Amino acid sequence: DGGITQSPKYLFRKEGQNVTLSCEQNLNHDAMYWYRQDPGQGLRLIYYSQIVNDFQKGDIAEGYSVSREKKESFPLTVTSAQKNPTAFYLCASRPGTRGFFTGELFFGEGSRLTVL
Amino acid sequence: SQQGEEDPQALSIQEGENATMNCSYKTSINNLQWYRQNSGRGLVHLILIRSNEREKHSGRLRVTLDTSKKSSSLLITASRAADTASYFCATVPSGSRLTFGEGTQLTVNP
Repeated sequence: DGGITQSPKYLFRKEGQNVTLSCEQNLNHDAMYWYRQDPGQGLRLIYYSQIVNDFQKGDIAEGYSVSREKKESFPLTVTSAQKNPTAFYLCASRPGTRGFFTGELFFGEGSRLTVL
Repeated sequence: SQQGEEDPQALSIQEGENATMNCSYKTSINNLQWYRQNSGRGLVHLILIRSNEREKHSGRLRVTLDTSKKSSSLLITASRAADTASYFCATVPSGSRLTFGEGTQLTVNP
């Protein structure tokens, strides 16, 4: 079945460590997104990529990094510079990149990161 | 800052009742979307309404859009316990970014 796979589902990290969250999609979508969700709150955009080898900062990019070397993959690294990394991270994708955002986002099941 | 704001933040109803959630936004939009999120899961797209549409239906869902008031509402009719989830509106204030509100937590009691 086509979809978006995020791994790991749960991740624990010690302070000062970098951690990478995986996001893979087999939907042949061009654009991919990373969102952060804190308890009881909405989603905030971290980074997004509309095409391979290109990505843009979202609203809360500080302390995060991404790469887009393959169309199917958009990993997110949470660095030690991120002051409060404990959160639920959601990856999403959509087909097409031209013009206005006219379609829906497809989401993965999320990765919950806890800093000990 | 969040583009969309949902109201109420939480809603508790009995099975069979209708649930209405509202969303207000700040800037002009191309379209507005509603998503559902079960606890601890990813979001699922429910319905999209374009700026030139006033009302749209999908099964038990009815969405309205009033661009003059910059507001939208989501109505779920004949609610079921399985409708318990968080519901988010999302808008596109600029080309390729979808911005979400903080959501309404709906609880449907059996």
